[in-house]
Amino acid sequence: AQTVTQSQPEMSVQEAETVTLSCTYDTSENNYYLFWYKQPPSRQMILVIRQEAYKQQNATENRFSVNFQKAAKSFSLKISDSQLGDTAMYFCAFMNRQGAQKLVFGQGTRLTINP
Amino acid sequence: EAGVAQSPRYKIIEKRQSVAFWCNPISGHATLYWYQQILGQGPKLLIQFQNNGVVDDSQLPKDRFSAERLKGVDSTLKIQPAKLEDSAVYLCASSLSWTEAFFGQGTRLTVV
Repeated sequence: AQTVTQSQPEMSVQEAETVTLSCTYDTSENNYYLFWYKQPPSRQMILVIRQEAYKQQNATENRFSVNFQKAAKSFSLKISDSQLGDTAMYFCAFMNRQGAQKLVFGQGTRLTINP
Repeated sequence: EAGVAQSPRYKIIEKRQSVAFWCNPISGHATLYWYQQILGQGPKLLIQFQNNGVVDDSQLPKDRFSAERLKGVDSTLKIQPAKLEDSAVYLCASSLSWTEAFFGQGTRLTVV
């Protein structure tokens, strides 16, 4: 069974700083997706960024980028020039590309951006 | 494009009562997920449908929880009877094959 671990329950940085959220996962599969989702107080999960395991190039979306280390099973999220609106819970998630497409989440990291 | 719709947004019930949640996924999405998210934790998958068939319900407490997806579109999740530990946010999500899941706003259930 796949598991996802986020070792940082909470993080706090000043506005405009760069912050990195950590995620590790465990799987025996070779073909999968990894995601970072953001959950603001409104509760709705919003996709931040997606990485396909067969792609070596790290995904980027504007201020958000990932460091995907497949051999180490590590998938960290870097937020550059952080903004107050980035304050939220962040969840790392894993989805198998074969079979049932089960989407498994980590425990989350509460990120606070201070003015 | 309309998103995933869930209702109600909030529900308060007494223990041992029953409750039902409704989800309308994005049109054309074959996969539908129900998650339970206890405060301060990550979402836990309760049940996953592919069209109207169950793919995974290994973590669904089947003695009190049930779910169905009629005609492979809308889905309902029911709890009967509810326990205090069922207090949580219930999230519905849908996806096309092998892409990201899109989530509804969730239903916050409080059991008193």
